[in-house]
Formats: sequence, C-alpha cells, structure tokens
Amino acid sequence: DTAVSQTPKYLVTQMGNDKSIKCEQNLGHDTMYWYKQDSKKFLKIMFSYNNKELIINETVPNRFSPKSPDKAHLNLHINSLELGDSAVYFCASSPRVKGTEAFFGQGTRLTVV
Amino acid sequence: DQQVKQNSPSLSVQEGRISILNCDYTNSMFDYFLWYKKYPAEGPTFLISISSIKDKNEDGRFTVFLNKSAKHLSLHIVPSQPGDSAVYFCAASAKAGGTSYGKLTFGQGTILTVHP
Repeated sequence: DTAVSQTPKYLVTQMGNDKSIKCEQNLGHDTMYWYKQDSKKFLKIMFSYNNKELIINETVPNRFSPKSPDKAHLNLHINSLELGDSAVYFCASSPRVKGTEAFFGQGTRLTVV
Repeated sequence: DQQVKQNSPSLSVQEGRISILNCDYTNSMFDYFLWYKKYPAEGPTFLISISSIKDKNEDGRFTVFLNKSAKHLSLHIVPSQPGDSAVYFCAASAKAGGTSYGKLTFGQGTILTVHP
C-alpha cells in the first residue's frame, strides 16, 4: 500500500547512456513533482505537474524530460547522462498545487560512472 | 541564493530534553511552512506545517513557531526520543504570484541525534 513508489531504488550507469526513473502514486493527488538531492544534501525541485500539465520547470538541462501519462504517474527520462547527474532523485505528490504537504517516494540513487 | 536556511548542520540532545531546530527564510512571498523528517535511504516524511496567518501549531510532541517579522521558524520536540534521530528539513511555499509558487523550497537540513 505504498503511497508514492519509485523504481528503481538504485541505478548505476555509464556516462552517455539514457535512463528512466518511474514514479507512481496511489493517493489520488493532482500534483506530482521531481526533486533532486545533490551531494551537498540540498533538496531542489526540478519539475511539477498538475493534472498532467507541466507547471514548474526549474533551470534543468533539457536532457531531463518528465513524462506524465496520467495523473498517477510522473516518469523522468534522462538523456546522455553525465557524471554531475549523480544524485538522489525523489518523486512526490500533493493533493493540490500549494498550501499542503507533499508526500515523497523513497528516492532513486543514480550513480553515473 | 538559498532562500531557506538551516544554519545548524547538527544538534545533539539527551533523551527527554527539548530539541529546538531553527530555520530562517528570506523570501517574503512564503506563506506556508513545513517540517520534514528524513531517515537514511528513505524519502522525507511530513511532520508538521504552519500557515503564515498563525504563529504556532502543535501536534503531540511537535510544535512549530513562526516569527514573520524575523522571518524565522523553529521546531520544538518535547520530550525528545532516540527514535527522533534523523535529518530535519524545513521547507516553504509561496503565495500566488511569487517565483516559488507551487513548489517547496527546502533548507539544507539539520541532523538531530537524541542520546539515550
């Protein structure tokens, strides 16, 4: 009965590869997010979708492309992976755009070698 | 430009005593504040929140205080328990019209260790 689930939990890949991280929420929330936690432990938003519509797109390289096939899913595809992409990526969801807490998945630790 | 700052990287407290975690923010458009708790290899878990129309919110052992004039909030945990040992993040979201609207801006976290 996991609320926000991400797969895979760990991902090790070589530079230049393309990879995807999947996220699903069963909370019935309208809004979903991708956050990145870098080596300095800062948690920063990358994207936000509300009812499958992109509402936040922070300064993220266009190698990162989110895809929301429906309200319950927000996947993250990364092209041409670089060493600096190594981080923990968290998916999250919330009932509405603001004024409420977000529920986080367990994170995907991406290591680019 | 770090809009939410937690200036104490770590805090060590004896079991049963009070833990006070602090957070400062700079963006005057922030109107909703949250605290999250994070264990290793897990995602952040929501703890407690406060709207800018209030200056205090309490939930069991956890109380959040907001001082809008000082742009400062704090989380009090009383009494502290060893199971409270984790990383605590404060976060803020902005009212409509701000550049932070619709997202949570996080501080860098404070590692709390509660000793038995």
